[in-house]
Amino acid sequence: AQSVTQLGSHVSVSEGALVLLRCNYSSSVPPYLFWYVQYPNQGLQLLLKYTTGATLVKGINGFEAEFKKSETSFHLTKPSAHMSDAAEYFCAVSDNSGYALNFGKGTSLLVTP
Amino acid sequence: GAGVSQSPRYKVAKRGQDVALRCDPISGHVSLFWYQQALGQGPEFLTYFQNEAQLDKSGLPSDRFFAERPEGSVSTLKIQRTQQEDSAVYLCASSLSGGRGLSNEQFFGPGTRLTVL
Repeated sequence: AQSVTQLGSHVSVSEGALVLLRCNYSSSVPPYLFWYVQYPNQGLQLLLKYTTGATLVKGINGFEAEFKKSETSFHLTKPSAHMSDAAEYFCAVSDNSGYALNFGKGTSLLVTP
Repeated sequence: GAGVSQSPRYKVAKRGQDVALRCDPISGHVSLFWYQQALGQGPEFLTYFQNEAQLDKSGLPSDRFFAERPEGSVSTLKIQRTQQEDSAVYLCASSLSGGRGLSNEQFFGPGTRLTVL
């Protein structure tokens, strides 16, 4: 089965600073990779996804991620953090069956003034 | 509706009670997923429907868990004889179509927070 590991359960950045959230995956087949954001008491919202093609993927709210097969990574970045970016972020990979998503444990992003 | 809705949003049950959690997917969405999210963890897959057919139930943790989608739209997740370890947020998601590769976006509902006392 495919899986993801998110390094760092909590990340704190200053407003305006670079955001870097790490995700490494394991997969025996070409993966489909996703980043979701979850605000308190809300469902998950898709930020961006990689399926095939261009390895640098741009998503909503200024986020982007780069698929690096050699490093089995799919790190999420944003050049300048906003206070509104404070939330829980989940990396996910599609299951071998192609139906289910396998999520990491999440990274809580705190943005300080 | 505009998005995936779930009810109730919060449910408190005494150990041993049966509960039923409802999911209303986005109209016209073929695929429907249930996930369980324990406190401080990422969501874990429970089961998957394509229309009314339950194609994968490999994630259901025990035979106390049962899901159905009889008319291919609304789905109900039922948990019998609830235990404390069932306490979690149960998320429902739907996508426009299904099939291998899963390049289709899953839209998530707000979840039902189940607390078993």
